[in-house]
Amino acid sequence: DTAVSQTPKYLVTQMGNDKSIKCEQNLGHDTMYWYKQDSKKFLKIMFSYNNKELIINETVPNRFSPKSPDKAHLNLHINSLELGDSAVYFCASSRGTSGSNFGDEQYFGPGTRLTVT
Amino acid sequence: SQQGEEDPQALSIQEGENATMNCSYKTSINNLQWYRQNSGRGLVHLILIRSNEREKHSGRLRVTLDTSKKSSSLLITASRAADTASYFCAPKLTFGKGTLLTVNP
Repeated sequence: DTAVSQTPKYLVTQMGNDKSIKCEQNLGHDTMYWYKQDSKKFLKIMFSYNNKELIINETVPNRFSPKSPDKAHLNLHINSLELGDSAVYFCASSRGTSGSNFGDEQYFGPGTRLTVT
Repeated sequence: SQQGEEDPQALSIQEGENATMNCSYKTSINNLQWYRQNSGRGLVHLILIRSNEREKHSGRLRVTLDTSKKSSSLLITASRAADTASYFCAPKLTFGKGTLLTVNP
């Protein structure tokens, strides 16, 4: 069984469109994350939710809006897509939150490669 | 947020040799983790070392942590071609650019 799954795996769209990426984890974890990995392989945290509540919101344009309908799902909606949004987006989950006694071991999804043309 | 910086950026070795990668960070941490990423795939957790630990082993992996120097190292012994990947350290939730390790058969 896939622990952390993301859909779609590839997404090609035009500038100005709105798109969503879905993430689901079946590990029973309380915390989920979205990361962006750019062409230089730099992996940057975007958001983190713990039990459906936003706990980390890095400096990300407000065109990006995460939504957590339940603690097993964390979706990422992007409005008015721009060329610079092209990247691979990774979802991850962990049992606890950063700095908790559970540690931060994260399980990553396979990634969604977004290409904006 | 805190970012780990891996060094070197790229490392190429022969199968059977050992590979050492280093990580530096800036502020205090509770723990530090190392991850591997195969090309085009998600990251896979390798090992977590807590701030009160100095060394940890897992199979062919050995991780050290020096909190006074804010640095960590990952040693892979007896490397294999399948170890070819990018390796990232994560002092907290932000990763660096990683070290691209190539193990030549």
